[in-house]
Amino acid sequence: RKEVEQDPGPFNVPEGATVAFNCTYSNSASQSFFWYRQDCRKEPKLLMSVYSSGNEDGRFTAQLNRASQYISLLIRDSKLSDSATYLCVVRTGAAGNKLTFGGGTRVLVKP
Amino acid sequence: GAVVSQHPSWVICKSGTSVKIECRSLDFQATTMFWYRQFPKQSLMLMATSNEGSKATYEQGVEKDKFLINHASLTLSTLTVTSAHPEDSSFYICSAPSGVGNQPQHFGDGTRLSIL
Repeated sequence: RKEVEQDPGPFNVPEGATVAFNCTYSNSASQSFFWYRQDCRKEPKLLMSVYSSGNEDGRFTAQLNRASQYISLLIRDSKLSDSATYLCVVRTGAAGNKLTFGGGTRVLVKP
Repeated sequence: GAVVSQHPSWVICKSGTSVKIECRSLDFQATTMFWYRQFPKQSLMLMATSNEGSKATYEQGVEKDKFLINHASLTLSTLTVTSAHPEDSSFYICSAPSGVGNQPQHFGDGTRLSIL
């Protein structure tokens, strides 16, 4: 079983619609959680951290469920520019610096 | 602006060539840097942790004699792919811890390596 698992998609989303997807992690000792965005042939860029109480950043909402060991990302009012691969990232390790990446969920927003 | 600079961004070489990739932290010191590899349609896989002044720590399945890592200063780590073959063609990305809790790592722009 992979440490961090995601539905690879693609999620085909009409412009303006809402899309949500989850990520599950296997290590219960995981400390921090993040969503990164990666465009084709580019480095990943931090989209948002995920806090236990859930958090929102504009059109993006992230949730964490430690009991069930999953995190989610919801995108409202999707824009064409939201088309990308969204990587679920979990931080573990003694030093707290080791990041484990999920396989990514591909989102395609269409007019 | 970029806080981690990676060079070169694109390399095309013949099989058997050794390729060196540099990762520099700009305006901050990084005693630790990370090297990832990403094959098409797959996620980033951590290859090794580069430690300034000591040996790198390699992940299981990564050949340390194939992927030489040198972290000679607090701002520079290099990854050398020795005697590269077509199966080594991939996207290599380095990163450095940001020291900020909600921004875990700064990533370089990545190096796209193509071995013919």
